[in-house]
Amino acid sequence: AQKVTQAQTEISVVEKEDVTLDCVYETRDTTYYLFWYKQPPSGELVFLIRRNSFDEQNEISGRYSWNFQKSTSSFNFTITASQVVDSAVYFCALSDPTSGTYKYIFGTGTRLKVLA
Amino acid sequence: SAVISQKPSRDICQRGTSLTIQCQVDSQVTMMFWYRQQPGQSLTLIATANQGSEATYESGFVIDKFPISRPNLTFSTLTVSNMSPEDSSIYLCSVAVQGLFYEQYFGPGTRLTVT
Repeated sequence: AQKVTQAQTEISVVEKEDVTLDCVYETRDTTYYLFWYKQPPSGELVFLIRRNSFDEQNEISGRYSWNFQKSTSSFNFTITASQVVDSAVYFCALSDPTSGTYKYIFGTGTRLKVLA
Repeated sequence: SAVISQKPSRDICQRGTSLTIQCQVDSQVTMMFWYRQQPGQSLTLIATANQGSEATYESGFVIDKFPISRPNLTFSTLTVSNMSPEDSSIYLCSVAVQGLFYEQYFGPGTRLTVT
């Protein structure tokens, strides 16, 4: 069965600190996609990144970076020099496109609080 | 990506009544989904809205409680029937964009409070 685990329920950091959000997934499929979403207090889910199972290259986008390691089934998300606007709940999700359903399995989310 | 709107954005309803939530997309999409997010929780998939046929419901969700319509490729509705306080949640629709590796894009959500 597919599963996504975000063990960190809540993290608090002081502005300008770096913070890493962990995501561990389980799947028997060889083809899958991983995603990160941000949910600010307004409630809308904002798409951040997609990574497919064949591409283990790490990615950097401004202050955001993602580390995908198939060997440990992890897809961690790092925010460098955090800002108050980064305060939100972050969700990791797994999708199996070969199933034909394109459904997501969401993790339980990590609430990030960045203090000024 | 896709631009998605939902109506209403929020509502307060009496128990025993029903509320219909609308989801409109700015382009034709194959897959549309409805999620529920209970307070402080993650997202739970209610059903996949299929165009021209009955929705596909996840375990624990039934058509009598959450009837869904999808008359075309840009619009869907979710009705929350015979509401109770336990139905107080955020309800979100999403679409999967086939040309973009099936990334899902979410609407702004409908915050429902049942009193």
